[in-house]
Amino acid sequence: KQEVTQIPAALSVPEGENLVLNCSFTDSAIYNLQWFRQDPGKGLTSLLLIQSSQREQTSGRLNASLDKSSGRSTLYIAASQPGDSATYLCAVSGVQGAQKLVFGQGTRLTINP
Amino acid sequence: SQTIHQWPATLVQPVGSPLSLECTVEGTSNPNLYWYRQAAGRGLQLLFYSVGIGQISSEVPQNLSASRPQDRQFILSSKKLLLSDSGFYLCAWTSGGNTIYFGEGSWLTVV
Repeated sequence: KQEVTQIPAALSVPEGENLVLNCSFTDSAIYNLQWFRQDPGKGLTSLLLIQSSQREQTSGRLNASLDKSSGRSTLYIAASQPGDSATYLCAVSGVQGAQKLVFGQGTRLTINP
Repeated sequence: SQTIHQWPATLVQPVGSPLSLECTVEGTSNPNLYWYRQAAGRGLQLLFYSVGIGQISSEVPQNLSASRPQDRQFILSSKKLLLSDSGFYLCAWTSGGNTIYFGEGSWLTVV
């Protein structure tokens, strides 16, 4: 059974810092890995999707890496801003087609002005 | 453009009462549809998914059921709610690709 763990559970940093969020998964037989952002009481917004054959994806100030063999992914946020404050969720899919995602519990990020 | 609507946004129901959460998708056809739940202190958990009308797969045994009466309509139901059914319910859809789109969620509190 796939399990996804995110560390740390919460992180508070001053504005402008670069930071790294970690995600690990127990079964390396994944189809893809996704990072999501969730604002309080809201739905999820997809940030980055990495296929199992890829090593990283970039979007603006965000960079996500994937090391499938070791069961790890990191989300790097450059030059953090207060608007980046949210919960970041990592999820893996083990099958092609239906997105039966297994989620981590998330990292609650606070960027202090 | 595609949109997803989910309602009601907030619901407070007594134990033993029925439940109906509805989700509709616009701007696409034959989407895969999903119901996820986010319980307090726990991660998001897939409850049901559907690849077509009348086709429902249940991921975890529970007090809930799902139905897909139309191509772009997905309904989450219960005949008798339990306290443990409280949580944040999210509908989502995919279509062909890998990107998954989530609704705004429904907060259910069972009292």
